[in-house]
Amino acid sequence: DAGVTQTPRHEVAEKGQTIILKCEPVSGHNDLFWYRQTKIQGLELLSYFRSKSLMEDGGAFKDRFKAEMLNSSFSTLKIQPTEPKDSAVYLCASSLEKGIEQYFGPGTRLTVL
Amino acid sequence: GDSVTQTEGPVTLSEGTSLTVNCSYETKQYPTLFWYVQYPGEGPQLLFKVPKANEKGSNRGFEATYNKEATSFHLQKASVQESDSAVYYCALGDPNSGTYQRFGTGTKLQVVP
Repeated sequence: DAGVTQTPRHEVAEKGQTIILKCEPVSGHNDLFWYRQTKIQGLELLSYFRSKSLMEDGGAFKDRFKAEMLNSSFSTLKIQPTEPKDSAVYLCASSLEKGIEQYFGPGTRLTVL
Repeated sequence: GDSVTQTEGPVTLSEGTSLTVNCSYETKQYPTLFWYVQYPGEGPQLLFKVPKANEKGSNRGFEATYNKEATSFHLQKASVQESDSAVYYCALGDPNSGTYQRFGTGTKLQVVP
């Protein structure tokens, strides 16, 4: 079985640009998560979808971050406009159902200049 | 709300020495407890999980006991190797109540020869 796929693996953006990160979850999984990972904060939840419905949208990230799940096998995370403080690794994860283990993608490393 | 607190890193150990990474949790539910490991350039992956209190989980020489009375789930390994260098995350989730996983902040382990 294919795991979680994320593209691109690396992204460099200028301040103020719009970037879109992509994720394909494990086939058949109902839950999809977007996280931001930094050395200081660790894993911060950005968005949580269940069966394509947005269940949780991280409060601190609402203004410039928007996640969408266009179908059960594809999700995007848009950051608009980007700021240097957005430089981090963005991880996508999926799970079969609530509360059980999550399967993570390799992440996208974003650098905002 | 639910939360997880774990040993602050980084932790540096010599090969062959023992490891303990503390993990404490708060919840009003009956969660499953998890340990994840993240190697450089990869997303976190499940190390093992324990769904029931007073049971032990183990994998690759790592182990942890679900201690409901102490609300702890400490990760231990008797003799670490250089290849164990990674970030370790403790997490809790509850499939019965639909609580998705909450992660600790992660503990970076570096094992030196």
